[in-house]
Amino acid sequence: AQSVTQPDIHITVSEGASLELRCNYSYGATPYLFWYVQSPGQGLQLLLKYFSGDTLVQGIKGFEAEFKRSQSSFNLRKPSVHWSDAAEYFCAVGVGGSQGNLIFGKGTKLSVKP
Amino acid sequence: GAVVSQHPSWVICKSGTSVKIECRSLDFQATTMFWYRQFPKQSLMLMATSNEGSKATYEQGVEKDKFLINHASLTLSTLTVTSAHPEDSSFYICSARGLANQETQYFGPGTRLLVL
Repeated sequence: AQSVTQPDIHITVSEGASLELRCNYSYGATPYLFWYVQSPGQGLQLLLKYFSGDTLVQGIKGFEAEFKRSQSSFNLRKPSVHWSDAAEYFCAVGVGGSQGNLIFGKGTKLSVKP
Repeated sequence: GAVVSQHPSWVICKSGTSVKIECRSLDFQATTMFWYRQFPKQSLMLMATSNEGSKATYEQGVEKDKFLINHASLTLSTLTVTSAHPEDSSFYICSARGLANQETQYFGPGTRLLVL
């Protein structure tokens, strides 16, 4: 069955430090992969997505993610975290071909220390 | 581009009443809209998928008679929670997908429902 695992429930980093949020997926075919960010009480904003091609994808707000097929991973990174990055981050895999249904991980809450 | 709105953002209602939530794609035509439910500190759970002009497809365990979904136009889908009860209190989020970019869902800001 398809699934997405985000091993870290909560991460705290200092402002200016680098960040890596982990995501592993289980899917039989080539996946469509997404990272979304959710601020408290808000909907989800798309940070970046991977469909094919270059395995390192750039997103908004200085985020990037790397698709590693051998590890079934799609980790999110940012070289220098800002206080405004504090939020909940969800990794998702698109399944069902053109249906585009998403399966979400449980999310990782990011806190930023001043 | 790809903006999705939801209305209302907050709603409080009495037990037994019905509540309608609207989801609109503001700058694109949404051939498919999705409705999710999110419990506190948890991930999103897909409730149903609706394609314009056809009946919604509900996920297992979601009562179609309780959560009525209508997708009458390419820019509007509605979710009606009928005879709401306190256990229906939750954060409801819709998303939309257009013709030009069928693999990507764009999310609305969500609607917080509190049933007293």
